[in-house]
Amino acid sequence: DTAVSQTPKYLVTQMGNDKSIKCEQNLGHDTMYWYKQDSKKFLKIMFSYNNKELIINETVPNRFSPKSPDKAHLNLHINSLELGDSAVYFCASSQGERGYEAELFFGEGSRLTVL
Amino acid sequence: SQQGEEDPQALSIQEGENATMNCSYKTSINNLQWYRQNSGRGLVHLILIRSNEREKHSGRLRVTLDTSKKSSSLLITASRAADTASYFCAPGPYAGGTSYGKLTFGQGTILTVHP
Repeated sequence: DTAVSQTPKYLVTQMGNDKSIKCEQNLGHDTMYWYKQDSKKFLKIMFSYNNKELIINETVPNRFSPKSPDKAHLNLHINSLELGDSAVYFCASSQGERGYEAELFFGEGSRLTVL
Repeated sequence: SQQGEEDPQALSIQEGENATMNCSYKTSINNLQWYRQNSGRGLVHLILIRSNEREKHSGRLRVTLDTSKKSSSLLITASRAADTASYFCAPGPYAGGTSYGKLTFGQGTILTVHP
C-alpha cells in the first residue's frame, strides 16, 4: 500500500489554465504539507495543515489554494497557471503538528509543466 | 524558517568508497534530519539527530552534529551503486515561543556511485 499518494504524476497544461493535484495519506498522520521543488532542486514548503486546519502558509501567490477535506487528504488547486509554476510538487505527511520534530513521509511528486 | 546548505553540490565516487556530505545552517536547532531522493522519486527519511546528540548511526550511515559550528555531516560507508541519489539535510528550527516549526530543505548533494 502506498503511504502517501499523489495524482496526477504528470501534468502538462497551457498558461492561464486551472489545475488541481490531489494527495491522500493512509498513515493516520495529523499533518500534511505541500512542497515545491524547482529545477535547481530546492525544496520549499508552501502549506501545512494539521487536522484540516491551515497552520503554515508561506509566501505563495494566492493563485495557489490548498484544501483539506479531512486529515487524510490535502489537495492543491492552482488558478491562472504561469510558466514559473512549472515544478515538481510534493505532498508529505507527519505525525504531530511540529513537522520539524517528526519524520516526513513524501509522495512521489507531481510534475507540472506549463507551456 | 531556515534551510540547510549542503556541500559539495555533487560528489562522484567508486563503489566501496566512503561518501561524506556536509550541511551547514544558521540558527539554533531542535534537531537535524537527513533525507535521500532517488531520481524522479519523493524524499525518504534517513536519520534524525537531536541537538543534544553528537553522533548517530544507522546501518552504513553515520551522522555527526556540531551545534557550535552549526554543521552536520553524513557519512555513507562502503557505498554501493544503489546509493546514487540526492541527499538533503533539514534543520529543525528551535521553536521557542513559536507554535509551529517547519522543515526547509536546501539544494542537496548529488551523489553518484560508479560500479
